[in-house]
Amino acid sequence: DAGVTQSPTHLIKTRGQHVTLRCSPISGHKSVSWYQQVLGQGPQFIFQYYEKEERGRGNFPDRFSARQFPNYSSELNVNALLLGDSALYLCASSWGQSNSYEQYFGPGTRLTVT
Amino acid sequence: AQRVTQPEKLLSVFKGAPVELKCNYSYSGSPELFWYVQYSRQRLQLLLRHISRESIKGFTADLNKGETSFHLKKPFAQEEDSAMYYCALSATSYDKVIFGPGTSLSVIP
Repeated sequence: DAGVTQSPTHLIKTRGQHVTLRCSPISGHKSVSWYQQVLGQGPQFIFQYYEKEERGRGNFPDRFSARQFPNYSSELNVNALLLGDSALYLCASSWGQSNSYEQYFGPGTRLTVT
Repeated sequence: AQRVTQPEKLLSVFKGAPVELKCNYSYSGSPELFWYVQYSRQRLQLLLRHISRESIKGFTADLNKGETSFHLKKPFAQEEDSAMYYCALSATSYDKVIFGPGTSLSVIP
């Protein structure tokens, strides 16, 4: 297993555009969480999906949305991009919803908004 | 509001010296606490969690509820310990995980 995979690796977008980031969890994992990591800061929680339902949402505007597919892969969508959305977006998967299950992180997608 | 602080952005120690990475949190209840580590060119990974009460790679962390701290300690630092360390908190098992800003540890040979 290659672990959690994310695509694309890097992305450059212009202000006002939208972007879709993708995450494939480790086989057998049913929970996917998304984090935003701005340079010099720790990851900040955006969403958790478990069994295709949103189970948690961080303090992000409605421009951010996500979904989880029947195969447990997930997409993060960001509309009307702002310069401040430039960050590393991390996906993490775990077997279950609880934090008792270890989260495994992907390599991240580096988004640059110009 | 829940918050995690790590007062040191950078910490340098000599190989073989003891190391302590500080973590303080603000939360009125009994949170779950974690330490995550990211080695150079590797992914972020869980190092240890307080409920496990285990030592991983020689590291231990003790929860001090009175001081609301969860400092990470190792008696003898090794060069391979050089990495970015993040302290994290979750109010309950089903709550979001809140990360601190991280401390970059450099072990000098």
